[in-house]
Amino acid sequence: QVQLRESGPGLVKPSETLSLTCTVSGGSIISSSYYWGWIRQPPGKGLEWIGSIFYSGSTYYNPSLKSRVTISVDTSKNQFSLKLSSVTAADTAVYYCARPKVTEWSFDLWGRGTLVTVSS
Amino acid sequence: QSALTQAPSASGSPGQSVTLSCTGTSSDVGDYNFVSWYQQHPGKAPKLMIYEVNKRPSGVPNRFSGSKSGNTASLTVSGLQAEDEADYYCSSYAGSNNWVFGGGTKLTVL
Repeated sequence: QVQLRESGPGLVKPSETLSLTCTVSGGSIISSSYYWGWIRQPPGKGLEWIGSIFYSGSTYYNPSLKSRVTISVDTSKNQFSLKLSSVTAADTAVYYCARPKVTEWSFDLWGRGTLVTVSS
Repeated sequence: QSALTQAPSASGSPGQSVTLSCTGTSSDVGDYNFVSWYQQHPGKAPKLMIYEVNKRPSGVPNRFSGSKSGNTASLTVSGLQAEDEADYYCSSYAGSNNWVFGGGTKLTVL
């Protein structure tokens, strides 16, 4: 049973860089069937797709966040990571890692999510 | 890309049917049969309920069904049960490995 688990600081200062890692367990991140992605949800609000990565390193970003986002993959650790630079209070959210399935283009597996608060 | 449009709230009594709508554009919902629906209970991660407009993952009750017409997708929950009370989000593939979500609908079982 594949599982995803987010990890990283729960508090980030304004203007700094938010960094999160998603660890994939129970299966390999090297798969031609899946991408690996990040989605966030501000408190009390809806979901926003941040970006996705293929195990080969190909990346795809939400145009509204593209200038601040970097997603990378470490196949040796079975992990992928998110970096969001120049954060503000508007970036406060629960961040989920999720697995979009190639050809079905839906997120069939989600991590539990981790709350990141941007505050000084 | 703009968020898909969903009504903020919907309600129904146990046993009734309720339909949630999700309106996009000709660049997302209208252009791809890759609309998915997610159920989210408070404090929990979203759960995939419908993919490719009308397909159910294993384990999802057949009370949940999806459809699409033009730029609008719909999720119908039949035979409403108390445990169906949750937030529901639609999502659409928008091409070039991009996705867009709706703002969510809070479903209340009266």
